[in-house]
Amino acid sequence: EDKVVQSPLSLVVHEGDTVTLNCSYEVTNFRSLLWYKQEKKAPTFLFMLTSSGIEKKSGRLSSILDKKELFSILNITATQTGDSAVYLCAVLYGGSQGNLIFGKGTKLSVKP
Amino acid sequence: GAVVSQHPSWVICKSGTSVKIECRSLDFQATTMFWYRQFPKQSLMLMATSNEGSKATYEQGVEKDKFLINHASLTLSTLTVTSAHPEDSSFYICSARDPTGFTEAFFGQGTRLTVV
Repeated sequence: EDKVVQSPLSLVVHEGDTVTLNCSYEVTNFRSLLWYKQEKKAPTFLFMLTSSGIEKKSGRLSSILDKKELFSILNITATQTGDSAVYLCAVLYGGSQGNLIFGKGTKLSVKP
Repeated sequence: GAVVSQHPSWVICKSGTSVKIECRSLDFQATTMFWYRQFPKQSLMLMATSNEGSKATYEQGVEKDKFLINHASLTLSTLTVTSAHPEDSSFYICSARDPTGFTEAFFGQGTRLTVV
């Protein structure tokens, strides 16, 4: 069965801390892995990872994919209260337009 | 980036009535759109894949007669929750992917449905 597993499910940190969110997957015909940030409404796109070992960065956020070990991490440095959200990992797999399967998300709470 | 617009953002309806939710891709043509449902503190669960000009493909366990999907044009898909019941109350989100090759999914703003 295809699946995406995120850990931890929830995390509470203080401003300035660095956090690492994990996403492992088991799918057939992997195409790409995507990270989203979901606050109160729809998810907003963060990163799309297709190749192993190439870090993607956007400000204090960065992410990397390991296609051999089938996982990805999302790092957030110098966290701020505005980083509080649910972070969703999704994997696109299969042929044609492909299928997108989501993990359950990691709820991050950043306290002042 | 590409924009997907979903309407309405929230709706309250009485049990037994039907509710239509619209999903539009604003700056690209989406031959395929996706409808998700999200329960509190849970992830997005794919309900169905909406295909322009043909029938939607429903995920296992999703009642196609209850959740009617119509994809009449390359920029519009609609989800109609028929004979709504309180257990249908949920957050519904649509998404579309640019068919030119980039596989990022763009999401609508979501619709909070409350059935009373």
